[in-house]
Amino acid sequence: EPEVTQTPSHQVTQMGQEVILRCVPISNHLYFYWYRQILGQKVEFLVSFYNNEISEKSEIFDDQFSVERPDGSNFTLKIRSTKLEDSAMYFCASSEPTDREDTQYFGPGTRLTVL
Amino acid sequence: AQSVAQPEDQVNVAEGNPLTVKCTYSVSGNPYLFWYVQYPNRGLQFLLKYITGDNLVKGSYGFEAEFNKSQTSFHLKKPSALVSDSALYFCAVRDAIPGGGGNKLTFGTGTQLKVEL
Repeated sequence: EPEVTQTPSHQVTQMGQEVILRCVPISNHLYFYWYRQILGQKVEFLVSFYNNEISEKSEIFDDQFSVERPDGSNFTLKIRSTKLEDSAMYFCASSEPTDREDTQYFGPGTRLTVL
Repeated sequence: AQSVAQPEDQVNVAEGNPLTVKCTYSVSGNPYLFWYVQYPNRGLQFLLKYITGDNLVKGSYGFEAEFNKSQTSFHLKKPSALVSDSALYFCAVRDAIPGGGGNKLTFGTGTQLKVEL
């Protein structure tokens, strides 16, 4: 069964550094998403992406964040200058255009630790 | 605005007994409702979803959920719990926007299910 994959599984970085989190969505899916989960808290929406454009973004997704589909398979989340409060599990998800309910399938996550 | 409430942080049940994990929601229009499960150090796995139609939805691993429009609830159920069902369960909702994709899910805070022998 096709799955969303994410790399790395764990990323440790120093405050102020740039990080890029990578995702490979399910191959026939065209909608892509990033969510995050701060330890012990609920999963929060960051951004959705379709046709090389951001469809929707949350208040969390400020100018420090950007997303990109650099090629036909990868979907990335960049944080330009990490803060301590960016430490969280980041989940990528994807959905297919023919699914009316937009069922989103999630990857295993990248745990980001900012020191 | 859409929101989800999961009133129980933890549910404990004995193996073999039925389980219920509660969820109530709020959306401006008709809802699409989802249950996801998260095992330790793993991502979110899709369990089941409600669209229009039958109020009892069947999903993976023997789970089902009952949609109740008047009570704005979508409780997750299983007739006979297994120890392996122990995990964190999330209810999620989004507005049923026609032809919509790329729309955010709003998650509840999660309910830890613990099934004991």
